Amino acid sequence: KQEVTQIPAALSVPEGENLVLNCSFTDSAIYNLQWFRQDHGKGLTSLLLIQSSQREQTSGRLNASLDKSSGRSTLYIAASQPGDSATYLCAVRSSASKIIFGSGTRLSIRP
Amino acid sequence: NAGVTQTPKFQVLKTGQSMTLQCAQDMNHEYMSWYRQDPGMGLRLIHYSVGAGITDQGEVPNGYNVSRSTTEDFPLRLLSAAPSQTSVYFCASRQSATNEKLFFGSGTQLSVL
Repeated sequence: KQEVTQIPAALSVPEGENLVLNCSFTDSAIYNLQWFRQDHGKGLTSLLLIQSSQREQTSGRLNASLDKSSGRSTLYIAASQPGDSATYLCAVRSSASKIIFGSGTRLSIRP
Repeated sequence: NAGVTQTPKFQVLKTGQSMTLQCAQDMNHEYMSWYRQDPGMGLRLIHYSVGAGITDQGEVPNGYNVSRSTTEDFPLRLLSAAPSQTSVYFCASRQSATNEKLFFGSGTQLSVL
């Protein structure tokens, strides 16, 4: 059974710092991995999707990497801003129809 | 652009009551799904549909029913609400099995007393 873990559960950093969020999964047989952002009381917004054949994806200040063999993905945020404060979730598609989510990392950027 | 619309946003039920959470999307997406989000547990898949007339169970289907009579709508029914069903419910859709990007609704916060 696929399990997705995100550590730490919460992270606070000062504005301007570069930071890395971690995601690990137990079964390397995945279709893809997605990173989502969730603002408080809102739904999820897809940030980046990495197919199983890819190693990384970039969008603006965000860069996501995937290492299937070790069961790990990282989300790198450059030059963090207070507006980046949110909960970040990773999700793994491990079958044709099922996507398994991690419990998220709550990020707070201090001005 | 409406995207994925969920109603209601908030609901309080008594144990044993029934209700339907509504979900509609205007993007002609084939795939729709329902998740529940509980503190410290991430999102768990309840039911999903790969097209009109086709539904299947996810990780935590017990106590919930779904139907998909049209491409646009995917309602979630609680037949006899229990306190364990207190949660935030999200509907999500994507265009097809090969187009992976998921679009989420804004959620329904349900409390069962």
